[in-house]
Parts: sequence; C-alpha cells; structure tokens
Amino acid sequence: QKEVEQNSGPLSVPEGAIASLNCTYSDRGSQSFFWYRQYSGKSPELIMFIYSNGDKEDGRFTAQLNKASQYVSLLIRDSQPSDSATYLCAVGDSGYALNFGKGTSLLVTP
Amino acid sequence: GAVVSQHPSWVICKSGTSVKIECRSLDFQATTMFWYRQFPKQSLMLMATSNEGSKATYEQGVEKDKFLINHASLTLSTLTVTSAHPEDSSFYICSARPDGTDTQYFGPGTRLTVL
Repeated sequence: QKEVEQNSGPLSVPEGAIASLNCTYSDRGSQSFFWYRQYSGKSPELIMFIYSNGDKEDGRFTAQLNKASQYVSLLIRDSQPSDSATYLCAVGDSGYALNFGKGTSLLVTP
Repeated sequence: GAVVSQHPSWVICKSGTSVKIECRSLDFQATTMFWYRQFPKQSLMLMATSNEGSKATYEQGVEKDKFLINHASLTLSTLTVTSAHPEDSSFYICSARPDGTDTQYFGPGTRLTVL
C-alpha cells in the first residue's frame, strides 16, 4: 500500500505569515511530487511539481523535497486570505496514477 | 495550456436514469484519464483509470457495470452512471495526463444530484 500522509489541519496562519504544509510518503520508489490546491466546492488545481531533492520556487510558493526522509513540503510566503483552501499532496512512481494525500486545510486569517 | 473541460457542470436526474459526463483535454493529447468522486468534506477517491482504446481499470469496490467508462479518442473520456440512485449523488471530477508526463490536470467537476 502506497501511503501519502498529510495533517488534516486546519492550519491557521495570520495574513502575511509563512504557511508550511507537510507531506510524507511510504514508497521509496516515488519519482514525482505534486501540490494541488482545492477550494471548497471546486476541483483541484496544480500549484507545483518537483522531481529532485532540494527547493523549487515559483512566486510565493516553494516546494521542498527530501527523498532520503521521504518528505515533501510546500511553503507559502506572504499568505493571503485567498490562499485559504485544502492543499493536496500527490506522489507518483512514473508508472501509474498519482497517490493523493487526504489534504491539509489552510486558513489564513486577516 | 493544459486545460481540461467537463460537461455538464451540474446535473439533476431522477432515480433509475442514466447520466453521461464528458471529459475533454482541450490542448493536449491524453492517452490516460482518471475519474474521481468526492463526497462533501471528504478526500478524492479514485474510481477508475481510463485508457484510450482499451478497457478502463476500476479501483476495488467500484462497480464497473454501474460506472461505464469509454475513452474513444485521445482527448475525450466519458463516464456514464447507469441506473443512478440517490447514493450516487456526488461531485465527479476527471483528470487528464498529457502523454509523456505523469502530471494530472483536473477538469472543473460535475455535481450530480439524483432525486
């Protein structure tokens, strides 16, 4: 069973702060890692993907990957109320469907 | 780029009828598409993997005779909910994977209500 674990939250951060979302996975053969954002009542939208160890930055978002620790995270800088959503971590092994975590609910308070 | 559409966005039907949902990749080819279901405040549940030109692969516990999947072209997959019942009411979301990648792009979803 390929597990992807996320803290369900809610994670509450004040506006302007850094939100840190974490994800662990069980399959050491995993090759690709994705973060999706899902607003209530909407479908997921892709935020970022990362394949290599280290950091990858895109605007206010930074994805961090540590394959040795089987850990991937998403940092959101200067958090805005519009960032309030559920964030889904997904892990792929280059062979099949992605394995999704259950998501972390983020609440950014004004 | 990487846009996926779904139609209809919402549908209300009577118990016992069938409903077809279309999923299209608008600007890329997708040999593989996926169908998910999501109940309120619950996580995504993968129902099946749809492969162009071949039979879909269903997840354990998903009735293949009830949820018919057809992937007739590289840009279109359809999900038909047959003999729908109120317990089938849910948010159905498709995703498509551009050929050569494992990134999934999601459609906007279809909200099905069975009366």
